[in-house]
Amino acid sequence: KAGVTQTPRYLIKTRGQQVTLSCSPISGHRSVSWYQQTPGQGLQFLFEYFSETQRNKGNFPGRFSGRQFSNSRSEMNVSTLELGDSALYLCASRPLSREKLFFGSGTQLSVL
Amino acid sequence: GQQLNQSPQSMFIQEGEDVSMNCTSSSIFNTWLWYKQDPGEGPVLLIALYKAGELTSNGRLTAQFGITRKDSFLNISASIPSDVGIYFCAGMNTGNQFYFGTGTSLTVIP
Repeated sequence: KAGVTQTPRYLIKTRGQQVTLSCSPISGHRSVSWYQQTPGQGLQFLFEYFSETQRNKGNFPGRFSGRQFSNSRSEMNVSTLELGDSALYLCASRPLSREKLFFGSGTQLSVL
Repeated sequence: GQQLNQSPQSMFIQEGEDVSMNCTSSSIFNTWLWYKQDPGEGPVLLIALYKAGELTSNGRLTAQFGITRKDSFLNISASIPSDVGIYFCAGMNTGNQFYFGTGTSLTVIP
């Protein structure tokens, strides 16, 4: 079974731009969640989607948004990028039993 | 968001030594997970625990679900250089929300 796939692996953007990250969950997993990881803050929860609906949302500004498609693939969008948005963005999928989280390799975003 | 207290923050050990780390929470969890993360990569699931008192092994790794349901422990026996990385815990509460530890950075000196 293929793991969680995230694209792209690396991104360099400038302040004010917007970015879209993509995540394909493990086959059969319908829940996808997104996390921001920085050295100082650790793993911070952004949001979780299940069956195309946002189920939970973390404490991030509205510039961070996401969506999930009918095939469970998910995208995350960040608009009006700020320097502080530089981070490793991780996607994770959960099986129906919901008791495990499987992470992708992440997208390393650098905002200049 | 809430983060779990994980200790120690970092460890420098000789190859062959055993390692112990733990996570504590002020809340009860139904599930504890332990991950290893290499720089610039995503976390890889090592061990999952589902019952208070449960002891589970994965090769040289052994993890335990604390009986109070507010803590968990990870032990690595006979460390080798490829054990280097950041280890962190995750707990799932009764609302099926995951919370993460701050990580333990492990360095193994050959």
